[in-house]
Amino acid sequence: EIVMTQSPATLSVSPGERATLSCRASQSVSSKLAWYRQKPGQAPRLFIYGASTRATGIPARFSGSGSGTEFSLTISSLQSEDFAVYYCQQYNGWPYTFGQGTKLEIK
Amino acid sequence: EVQLVESGGGLVQPGGSLRLSCAASGFIFSKYYMHWVRQAPGEGLVWVSLISEDGRNTGYADSVRGRFAVSRDNARNTLHLQMNSLRAEDTAVYFCVRGGDDFIWGQGTMVTVSS
Repeated sequence: EIVMTQSPATLSVSPGERATLSCRASQSVSSKLAWYRQKPGQAPRLFIYGASTRATGIPARFSGSGSGTEFSLTISSLQSEDFAVYYCQQYNGWPYTFGQGTKLEIK
Repeated sequence: EVQLVESGGGLVQPGGSLRLSCAASGFIFSKYYMHWVRQAPGEGLVWVSLISEDGRNTGYADSVRGRFAVSRDNARNTLHLQMNSLRAEDTAVYFCVRGGDDFIWGQGTMVTVSS
């Protein structure tokens, strides 16, 4: 099973600033990497797939990068709705696996 | 609009059974892998099972293999998850997810296993 490790566990950033979240895979997942945002009581929402492709309706302030084992999600100019938990997920090998999540909180 | 609507959750005693369903609309159901993912209260996301477009290939997490069975009815655009021998640790919200790179999620259905 591929282990996904996200860092940091919690990230405190002020609105309007930039945030970078990291995700590392225990073995290569090529570019089969997705990022989700989840708010309390809601289902996860896909933001990035294929490591760098924004999902439908996702604003350009969200960008994903990386391949192989190292990935990042960058959110430029944070807005209030961006403060939530973010998960990375690999879908290169079964079972698909998720990171433990990064909580993005208001500083 | 792509929609996935789960149903069938509820309270069940340990050792009991439950059958979840997911009604799909807004896309050609028979052309996509489908998945179940769960999230225990306050915990992270765990992939539970997958099923191929034609239903011939399935996969399960080790924690549910032999107890859960995924199936699909392409004529009715419906996905199912038969859950047997339920344990307290199966308590979670269960999400139906459309495959392909651009994963689409339903809103989930809560399953509580408790006496």
